[in-house]
Amino acid sequence: KQEVTQIPAALSVPEGENLVLNCSFTDSAIYNLQWFRQDPGKGLTSLLLIQSSQREQTSGRLNASLDKSSGRSTLYIAASQPGDSATYLCAVRGTYKYIFGTGTRLKVLA
Amino acid sequence: SQTIHQWPATLVQPVGSPLSLECTVEGTSNPNLYWYRQAAGRGLQLLFYSVGIGQISSEVPQNLSASRPQDRQFILSSKKLLLSDSGFYLCAGNPGGDNSGNTIYFGEGSWLTVV
Repeated sequence: KQEVTQIPAALSVPEGENLVLNCSFTDSAIYNLQWFRQDPGKGLTSLLLIQSSQREQTSGRLNASLDKSSGRSTLYIAASQPGDSATYLCAVRGTYKYIFGTGTRLKVLA
Repeated sequence: SQTIHQWPATLVQPVGSPLSLECTVEGTSNPNLYWYRQAAGRGLQLLFYSVGIGQISSEVPQNLSASRPQDRQFILSSKKLLLSDSGFYLCAGNPGGDNSGNTIYFGEGSWLTVV
């Protein structure tokens, strides 16, 4: 059974810092891995999708990497801003199903 | 890209009452559809998914059920709500098939409080 873990659970940083969020999964037989952002009381917004054959994806200040063999992914946020404050979730896709981690709650202080 | 609509956005229901949450999809045909529940401060728990009309897979035993009467409609129901059914319910979908490049999209969620 696939299990997805995210550390840290919460993070508070001053504005401008570069930061790394971690995601690990137990079964490497995945189709893809996605990172999402969730604002309080809202749905999820997709940030980056990495297919199982890829190593990383970049979008603006975000960079996500995938090491499928070790069951790990990292989300790198450069030059963090207060608007980045949200919960970040990773999800791995098996056959049809997406399994989510519990998220990292990020607060960027102005 | 596709858009997920779900409603109602918020509801307060007494214990033992029925439930119906609806979800519709725009922008794609024959999507895979999902219902997730998110308890306070916790991750998303997959409840049901569907790969086609009338095809429902249940992930956890519970007093909830799901139906897919039309290609782009997915309904979450209960005959009698329990206090433990309270939570944030999210409908999601992605283009049909098993393409590894498909992104999953989410609706805005439905807050259910059972009192």
